[in-house]
Amino acid sequence: AQKVTQAQTEISVVEKEDVTLDCVYETRDTTYYLFWYKQPPSGELVFLIRRNSFDEQNEISGRYSWNFQKSTSSFNFTITASQVVDSAVYFCAQGATGFQKLVFGTGTRLLVSP
Amino acid sequence: DTEVTQTPKHLVMGMTNKKSLKCEQHMGHRAMYWYKQKAKKPPELMFVYSYEKLSINESVPSRFSPECPNSSLLNLHLHALQPEDSALYLCASSQEGTGRTDTQYFGPGTRLTVL
Repeated sequence: AQKVTQAQTEISVVEKEDVTLDCVYETRDTTYYLFWYKQPPSGELVFLIRRNSFDEQNEISGRYSWNFQKSTSSFNFTITASQVVDSAVYFCAQGATGFQKLVFGTGTRLLVSP
Repeated sequence: DTEVTQTPKHLVMGMTNKKSLKCEQHMGHRAMYWYKQKAKKPPELMFVYSYEKLSINESVPSRFSPECPNSSLLNLHLHALQPEDSALYLCASSQEGTGRTDTQYFGPGTRLTVL
């Protein structure tokens, strides 16, 4: 069975601080996909990144970066120089290859204050 | 363009009403999804349509009735709902249907209140 754990319920930082959101997953599958979504107060889930289990390269996109480590079953997300607009709930999710159902973590609420 | 639209944005209904939620995508995606999200919880999958056919029903009560008139449209018909059904209803779509784990793109949601 798949499981995604986001142990950090809420994180508060001051603008320009760096912040890392943790995601730990469990699966018996050899191939799988991992995702991060952002949900601002407006409610829409915004897709951020998709990673397959064969690609352990870290990814950087502007102020966002992702660290995928199969050895620790983690897919952590770092925001560099956080901004107020980064305030949102961030969900990590996992999908088994060939299946459409995503397993979501419980989410981490990030509050960035000016 | 990764846009999924949903109408209405907000809906208030009584327990005896019949209403429908609508979702539309013009990305040529062949799979569409309905999710329910309660406050401070992750989204919960309700239904999946692949190539206009219902492929997944997560044991959702029959007072929720999905419909996929064509590959771009997805409806959720609501009847005799309960106050505990109040939630944010999210629609999503992905490129391919059954047998794939493509990225799901979400709409802005319909915030439903059942009185």
